Amino acid sequence: DQQVKQNSPSLSVQEGRISILNCDYTNSMFDYFLWYKKYPAEGPTFLISISSIKDKNEDGRFTVFLNKSAKHLSLHIVPSQPGDSAVYFCAATPYNFNKFYFGSGTKLNVKP
Amino acid sequence: DTEVTQTPKHLVMGMTNKKSLKCEQHMGHRAMYWYKQKAKKPPELMFVYSYEKLSINESVPSRFSPECPNSSLLNLHLHALQPEDSALYLCASSQTTGANYGYTFGSGTRLTVV
Repeated sequence: DQQVKQNSPSLSVQEGRISILNCDYTNSMFDYFLWYKKYPAEGPTFLISISSIKDKNEDGRFTVFLNKSAKHLSLHIVPSQPGDSAVYFCAATPYNFNKFYFGSGTKLNVKP
Repeated sequence: DTEVTQTPKHLVMGMTNKKSLKCEQHMGHRAMYWYKQKAKKPPELMFVYSYEKLSINESVPSRFSPECPNSSLLNLHLHALQPEDSALYLCASSQTTGANYGYTFGSGTRLTVV
């Protein structure tokens, strides 16, 4: 039973526009959420995180939104750049527990 | 140095072989992790070391044997693997095991068991 789901396996966006990647989870005990970015032949790299006491966290072009009542988080990339083309994983964990549950990933393609 | 270095990058081994994967970081991180990633699946946690002590073993078969000889090194010893163990093995580290610190991942070792 997958507790973290990314229902869109792929997304294609024009350069300069907004990319919105979505993630849903089922476990109400999840308290901390992360987004990872993965290029081919590389390990996932940490991108941005959010804890449940916030509903938004921003870092440059990347913003993560958390809707706890809907058990939904999203990653916005504005403006999208071709170098953003990668697979994006969301992950969740209960607070103070070091096991992360990963989604299956969304492959983002930013077209020049 | 802000990297996690994994060696080798690729490994092909037979089912009777013994081999080891190596992971190294010099960021002063005290938590280190082994993940296994099959194609088109998210990484699955295998082991967690905290301050050089094994803190989590996710019911991994004994043919995988982790070792943390010091705070900078993490090894994964492999023996009598099966073809289904073929995967990308990722090492990661973080300042501590607490959830408030993002991970740094290595680029992985692509393992093929023949």
